[in-house]
Amino acid sequence: TQLLEQSPQFLSIQEGENLTVYCNSSSVFSSLQWYRQEPGEGPVLLVTVVTGGEVKKLKRLTFQFGDARKDSSLHITAAQPGDTGLYLCAGTFRQAGTALIFGKGTTLSVSS
Amino acid sequence: KAGVTQTPRYLIKTRGQQVTLSCSPISGHRSVSWYQQTPGQGLQFLFEYFSETQRNKGNFPGRFSGRQFSNSRSEMNVSTLELGDSALYLCASSLDWGREKLFFGSGTQLSVL
Repeated sequence: TQLLEQSPQFLSIQEGENLTVYCNSSSVFSSLQWYRQEPGEGPVLLVTVVTGGEVKKLKRLTFQFGDARKDSSLHITAAQPGDTGLYLCAGTFRQAGTALIFGKGTTLSVSS
Repeated sequence: KAGVTQTPRYLIKTRGQQVTLSCSPISGHRSVSWYQQTPGQGLQFLFEYFSETQRNKGNFPGRFSGRQFSNSRSEMNVSTLELGDSALYLCASSLDWGREKLFFGSGTQLSVL
């Protein structure tokens, strides 16, 4: 059973555009993480959010955690070609213990 | 500081064979987790080891097994390979069990023919 839904699956945009990726679950997250993965490499952690309503910023990336801790979003401002990659959200849930449950990812392509 | 090292990088096997993948965690990290990544299912949790003990296990058949050594290095084994086992196998290390900050290796790309 997929506990975590991520959308959209694919995004193809022009340099300078803004975009938002969503991550939703019917269960409450204990914590939620966002990763970025490039071809041929493993995922790299971008941010961890644990508190409902939390907002974190990482340069042009803004991460929000829903008040009920069932959803999260990643917003990229003025996307650049270097932002191209697979963005993954991953959560821990009480019923899964310490295992990270991953969404299927959003493949972002930014062209110049 | 060296990152997580996984060997081999690529592997080609045939159905019915078995395979062993190796993972060396970041120095000082004591917890190792394994994940399977496929285009259809994404990343799925296999198991987690800490202090040579399996602490958590995902929903995979018994053909998938693993172990951790006293130096925190870990291996995973897949017996009686099936075509559907073709995937990128990722290892991640963290300082301690249950720590949320995972550092992933580049993975072993397994192809089963």
